[in-house]
Amino acid sequence: AQTVTQSQPEMSVQEAETVTLSCTYDTSESDYYLFWYKQPPSRQMILVIRQEAYKQQNATENRFSVNFQKAAKSFSLKISDSQLGDAAMYFCAYRIIRSGTYKYIFGTGTRLKVLA
Amino acid sequence: EAGVTQSPTHLIKTRGQQVTLRCSPISGHTSVYWYQQALGLGLQFLLWYDEGEERNRGNFPPRFSGRQFPNYSSELNVNALELEDSALYLCASRIWGGGADTQYFGPGTRLTVL
Repeated sequence: AQTVTQSQPEMSVQEAETVTLSCTYDTSESDYYLFWYKQPPSRQMILVIRQEAYKQQNATENRFSVNFQKAAKSFSLKISDSQLGDAAMYFCAYRIIRSGTYKYIFGTGTRLKVLA
Repeated sequence: EAGVTQSPTHLIKTRGQQVTLRCSPISGHTSVYWYQQALGLGLQFLLWYDEGEERNRGNFPPRFSGRQFPNYSSELNVNALELEDSALYLCASRIWGGGADTQYFGPGTRLTVL
């Protein structure tokens, strides 16, 4: 079964500090995409970062970066220089790249609090 | 460019009633996904439509159904509402093909079943 596990229901970080959100997934597939989505209190879910499993280089987007460990099936999100606007629910998601299969599997989310 | 839109924003229904939620994808996006976000359960995949056809559905009973129209907008119908159907229902659209494999989400419809 394909599953995504986010073991940290809630995390806190001091403004300007760095925080890492963990995500593990279970799959027998070799080709897939991984995503981190952010859902602020206003509800609109937005993409933070994505990673193709065939790429060894970790994806980065400004202050957001991932640590992708394919063998360990781990995909953690690092937020550097945390800002108050980073406070949100963060969801890790996964999608296999098999033709005709475009279902996304989401984790249960991690609520990030940013302390001033 | 307009994002994914959903209507209504909020709905309050009673058990046994039926509800229809609507979603308009980003222009040019042909795929629409529906998710249920119940408290503490993350996003549960409901349905995926592409080019007017249902391509996949999640582990939900048949009273959850929907359709996609020729303009790629979509409806989600829920019959015989139960209390546990109370949730935020999110719609996402995705453009077909290439490496454009990112979903764009709407603001959601908050459904409360009393």
